[in-house]
Amino acid sequence: GAGVSQTPSNKVTEKGKYVELRCDPISGHTALYWYRQSLGQGPEFLIYFQGTGAADDSGLPNDRFFAVRPEGSVSTLKIQRTERGDSAMYLCASSLGDLSYNEQFFGPGTRLTVL
Amino acid sequence: QQQVKQSPQSLIVQKGGISIINCAYENTAFDYFPWYQQFPGKGPALLIAIRPDVSEKKEGRFTISFNKSAKQFSLHIMDSQPGDSATYFCAAKWGSNYKLTFGKGTLLTVNP
Repeated sequence: GAGVSQTPSNKVTEKGKYVELRCDPISGHTALYWYRQSLGQGPEFLIYFQGTGAADDSGLPNDRFFAVRPEGSVSTLKIQRTERGDSAMYLCASSLGDLSYNEQFFGPGTRLTVL
Repeated sequence: QQQVKQSPQSLIVQKGGISIINCAYENTAFDYFPWYQQFPGKGPALLIAIRPDVSEKKEGRFTISFNKSAKQFSLHIMDSQPGDSATYFCAAKWGSNYKLTFGKGTLLTVNP
């Protein structure tokens, strides 16, 4: 079956602009996660959804970042007033549930470059 | 504070050799330790995982060794192949906590 998909694969924007990154999880997966991966680093947790609600957004760096999952499937990560420091790979993952041993399946990521 | 420390940062191995990557953790509540493999332009993919009630887990050429008292775990890749060239991340998670805490990664190059 299809894995996690993310669009766009690459996004180049100018400082101060608004961007939206989309994630399509594996069908039937109720849990969805966003991570950010800077160059040479491991992924860092941003936000977690169980169903439609954001169960934990403690990893969002500031209030310029926001994410939604209105119907419990597709999620959109929104970044306002982008800064050069926002440049990174944004990864989405999904899992059947949020139990400790539920495997998180990652998408290919969206590489965001802020000029 | 980095909760999972990974070494080495990069590793070069000859084809057929053994690749060893080490990780150390600080949070004793961690109870699930996966290793992820990431190829350029791709997201991380689960390779193998272990729980702290066993000291070793083997799947094909990949083995995790776990030392609970030392709070360390390692990935061994036997008979390394050029196709294994990728970045490897160790990670940890605890209880009902869903967040994966990753190490910084190891870039493995297997020369033919």
